[in-house]
Amino acid sequence: ILNVEQSPQSLHVQEGDSTNFTCSFPSSNFYALHWYRWETAKSPEALFVMTLNGDEKKKGRISATLNTKEGYSYLYIKGSQPEDSATYLCAFGTTGNQFYFGTGTSLTVIP
Amino acid sequence: EPEVTQTPSHQVTQMGQEVILRCVPISNHLYFYWYRQILGQKVEFLVSFYNNEISEKSEIFDDQFSVERPDGSNFTLKIRSTKLEDSAMYFCASSWTGPAKNIQYFGAGTRLSVL
Repeated sequence: ILNVEQSPQSLHVQEGDSTNFTCSFPSSNFYALHWYRWETAKSPEALFVMTLNGDEKKKGRISATLNTKEGYSYLYIKGSQPEDSATYLCAFGTTGNQFYFGTGTSLTVIP
Repeated sequence: EPEVTQTPSHQVTQMGQEVILRCVPISNHLYFYWYRQILGQKVEFLVSFYNNEISEKSEIFDDQFSVERPDGSNFTLKIRSTKLEDSAMYFCASSWTGPAKNIQYFGAGTRLSVL
């Protein structure tokens, strides 16, 4: 079982603050890195799928970067809003088509 | 917007009983998956299914588990003889193409409680 780590485990920020969290994964057998947003009592919702070293993706105020050589991805949220409160999961896809999730970062945005 | 649906939302069963968890993937998707999350732990991959057969499975997916696509729309996970440690949220997902590179769409999950 491969280890995918996310930090911090939880985060409380004020509305309007920008924030970022990290996903660390093994650099070998890399195929893709996914970010999901998961609100309580709802399904995980895909944010980004990244495959190439140096990839940067953006969706509104949320963006992500990928470094496959050193095995990390950052997720950034600019100007956090209360509706951004959720757990953010990353998942590492291997060349063997297995899929490993991190433990998630729980974000609470305080109005 | 198309979505993955799972039923039931909560299943309670006695240890040793068989359970079947049901999922209806998005209709034009070709790959289907089951994951589970034990309370307080990571989401864990169980199995992926393509072209009416298992394409990948994890160490967790032992002989107690089986998957089936009985009628072209449903995708089921069967646990033959449930154990206490099978209590978890079970998530179904589907994707248009291959698992690792493609966005997966998740259902809301079935909470399985084994007593």
